[in-house]
Amino acid sequence: SQTIHQWPATLVQPVGSPLSLECTVEGTSNPNLYWYRQAAGRGLQLLFYSVGIGQISSEVPQNLSASRPQDRQFILSSKKLLLSDSGFYLCARQVGTEAFFGQGTRLTVV
Amino acid sequence: GNSVTQMEGPVTLSEEAFLTINCTYTATGYPSLFWYVQYPGEGLQLLLKATKADDKGSNKGFEATYRKETTSFHLEKGSVQVSDSAVYFCALNRNAGNNRKLIWGLGTSLAVNP
Repeated sequence: SQTIHQWPATLVQPVGSPLSLECTVEGTSNPNLYWYRQAAGRGLQLLFYSVGIGQISSEVPQNLSASRPQDRQFILSSKKLLLSDSGFYLCARQVGTEAFFGQGTRLTVV
Repeated sequence: GNSVTQMEGPVTLSEEAFLTINCTYTATGYPSLFWYVQYPGEGLQLLLKATKADDKGSNKGFEATYRKETTSFHLEKGSVQVSDSAVYFCALNRNAGNNRKLIWGLGTSLAVNP
């Protein structure tokens, strides 16, 4: 099984508030994990990836951070949200060349 | 560098029409190529893939052939259904050590009307 759990499914947060989105993976150990953001008309943007506990690589400079406190847990955070952080956030794991995605979190910053 | 270019949407078709969504790529070496589908409000799912030149990936009536000579991986379906309405993403695999990053197209939205 390649089950990936993301929560919450939807979230509305005020500007300046903190953020924590969680992703957990079942059925595997030491997965390569990814956070993507999908904004309207911009396709998928890779934000962070992690090849192991405590190992985070950032793809683009931004207002967000990621952490991997456990092998199967990947967290996306922000200390202070901006309006531009609104979007659909997807967690994924990759097995070889193939990606498996969670159901996503729709974040609206107001 | 490596990149994927998809035809812009939205694409609107009537049920049972023929579908083509164009995808071309630039890449060094021999990447694997993928089509992913995203149904409304959901994450992405792998639709089909091809790992070497002239391979044909197929699934749920969709097909795509890896054409190295034209660097293309166009998605086709002979007769679309309303349930095929979704966003379709073309992607390629870029080998980068232990972390094989996927390079994504921008996605093509398909709406099929009854």
